[in-house]
Amino acid sequence: EAGVTQFPSHSVIEKGQTVTLRCDPISGHDNLYWYRRVMGKEIKFLLHFVKESKQDESGMPNNRFLAERTGGTYSTLKVQPAELEDSGVYFCASSQAPVGVGILMNTEAFFGQGTRLTVV
Amino acid sequence: AQTVTQSQPEMSVQEAETVTLSCTYDTSESDYYLFWYKQPPSRQMILVIRQEAYKQQNATENRFSVNFQKAAKSFSLKISDSQLGDAAMYFCAYRSAYPENRDDKIIFGKGTRLHILP
Repeated sequence: EAGVTQFPSHSVIEKGQTVTLRCDPISGHDNLYWYRRVMGKEIKFLLHFVKESKQDESGMPNNRFLAERTGGTYSTLKVQPAELEDSGVYFCASSQAPVGVGILMNTEAFFGQGTRLTVV
Repeated sequence: AQTVTQSQPEMSVQEAETVTLSCTYDTSESDYYLFWYKQPPSRQMILVIRQEAYKQQNATENRFSVNFQKAAKSFSLKISDSQLGDAAMYFCAYRSAYPENRDDKIIFGKGTRLHILP
């Protein structure tokens, strides 16, 4: 079974340019998450999709970041225009839908290998 | 809001020895999950071990085991018989167990970089 895949693995762009990151979750996983790790800091949650809907986007830093998940399959995360502080590793993760209500849900989230974004 | 704290930015251990990585967390919830993820140089995030808060028994996975102290909100990872392939960044993580709250994002600590000395 294919895991979560992210593209590109590494991107170097100039400040002010646009970059689009892509994540292909595991087939059948309704939940898709974006996380970011800035050098030396903790991994921060960005947003959560359930199918094509944004369940929680409380972690998105500002309106320069736009995430989409058309058709509930792959997701893109666009940064426009990129700033120096956007540099970091962007992780995508997916998991199956929760099973039932009040039942402890399936918890394992599978991560991609990340995209290292460097803004110069 | 929940928080996860890893107070050891880096650690080193001699090959074949045992090492313990510390993690503490803060939450007001009674049911949750705790994880240790490993991130080797390849950057792939790999789930090492998982603990359900309602279980008193500490989780074990081969050479990896945890010491889960719910009252103290402590969740340390012990790696026995350390191997060179264990060298990686280790992240402690928390996730709520209440799907009806729709708050199921994973909260990570800052990580501990583990070096294995040959």
